[in-house]
Amino acid sequence: GQNIDQPTEMTATEGAIVQINCTYQTSGFNGLFWYQQHAGEAPTFLSYNVLDGLEEKGRFSSFLSRSKGYSYLLLKELQMKDSASYLCAVTDSNYQLIWGAGTKLIIKP
Amino acid sequence: DAGITQSPRYKITETGRQVTLMCHQTWSHSYMFWYRQDLGHGLRLIYYSAAADITDKGEVPDGYVVSRSKTENFPLTLESATRSQTSVYFCATSGEVHSPLHFGNGTRLTVT
Repeated sequence: GQNIDQPTEMTATEGAIVQINCTYQTSGFNGLFWYQQHAGEAPTFLSYNVLDGLEEKGRFSSFLSRSKGYSYLLLKELQMKDSASYLCAVTDSNYQLIWGAGTKLIIKP
Repeated sequence: DAGITQSPRYKITETGRQVTLMCHQTWSHSYMFWYRQDLGHGLRLIYYSAAADITDKGEVPDGYVVSRSKTENFPLTLESATRSQTSVYFCATSGEVHSPLHFGNGTRLTVT
């Protein structure tokens, strides 16, 4: 079957750096997405990786290793507003999106 | 304004009633999706549509019906609501099959 694993919850301190991991086993691979979802709100797109390597967008970076079925989202200079759930999703060979259950990130002052 | 609009934002209904959740987009995106989100399950795909008059089942389609007579609208109907359909429902669109999704604000449905 197809599966995406993410930690359920992580805690970090304001101003610090946190890495949220995502591992996947899917039927083929056509890209990996990260979304941010604040409590009570809709998910919003953060990043997309289709080739191996690091994609940087301001304080957020996303890394992909297709051979290892692994990605991470790196958040730097954490702010209280970064408290949210982070969803990893993979597009399989049929272009179906497979979603992880999400990682709830708690930022403490 | 351009975007994606879901209605209603909140709905309480009784078991056995028919309920329709509306989704409207102004981007003319080809792809539209209906997801439900429950604690511990993440996002689960109910139905999706690649274009007007083309719909297909997702992971959890039982008890739901969709239609897409116009590109901009993609209503989701619960034919006979059950308590297990209590959830938050998100509509989403994308311009191409590998493009990021744009989500509506969601409908929080409670079935009593």
